[in-house]
Amino acid sequence: GAGVSQSPSNKVTEKGKDVELRCDPISGHTALYWYRQSLGQGLEFLIYFQGNSAPDKSGLPSDRFSAERTGGSVSTLTIQRTQQEDSAVYLCASSLTSGGNTDTQYFGPGTRLTVL
Amino acid sequence: GDSVTQMEGPVTLSEEAFLTINCTYTATGYPSLFWYVQYPGEGLQLLLKATKADDKGSNKGFEATYRKETTSFHLEKGSVQVSDSAVYFCALSDRSGTYKYIFGTGTRLKVLA
Repeated sequence: GAGVSQSPSNKVTEKGKDVELRCDPISGHTALYWYRQSLGQGLEFLIYFQGNSAPDKSGLPSDRFSAERTGGSVSTLTIQRTQQEDSAVYLCASSLTSGGNTDTQYFGPGTRLTVL
Repeated sequence: GDSVTQMEGPVTLSEEAFLTINCTYTATGYPSLFWYVQYPGEGLQLLLKATKADDKGSNKGFEATYRKETTSFHLEKGSVQVSDSAVYFCALSDRSGTYKYIFGTGTRLKVLA
């Protein structure tokens, strides 16, 4: 079946512009996670959704970052007034549920964001 | 908070050599442990996992055993191939409520023919 998909695969933007990154999780997966992979920082958690609600936003680095999820499916990560330090690969993952601790997260291919 | 420490790379081996990539963790409670692999130009793929102490995860010739007494989850393979060249990430699943993953920094493996 289809895996997690993300779009765009690459995004180049100018400093100060807003960007939207999209994630389409595996059908039926209720839990959705955003991570960021950057040089020198490794993979860091950004935000977690269970259904349409986000009980854990603790990883969002600033109030320029926001995310939403609609219909328990597609999620959008928005970065306002982008800065050069936002340049990274943004990864989305989904899992069937988040209640069991044993649920495996399946990752999308990522969106590579470059802020000039 | 929870954390994962894995050995720095890059690791360079000849084909058919034995591989060990060390991973240790700090966690409150009893997390699940994972190894993910990222091949060049591709996304993260689950390689193997273990959900409780003494469990052994295995896949594609790779193995790792969940050692609670040493808080470790070292990745091993008896005979590496050029196609195993990739970045390997150790991770734990945070049991504080959201089950988000805490990742190590990744270890790049390069296998030479």
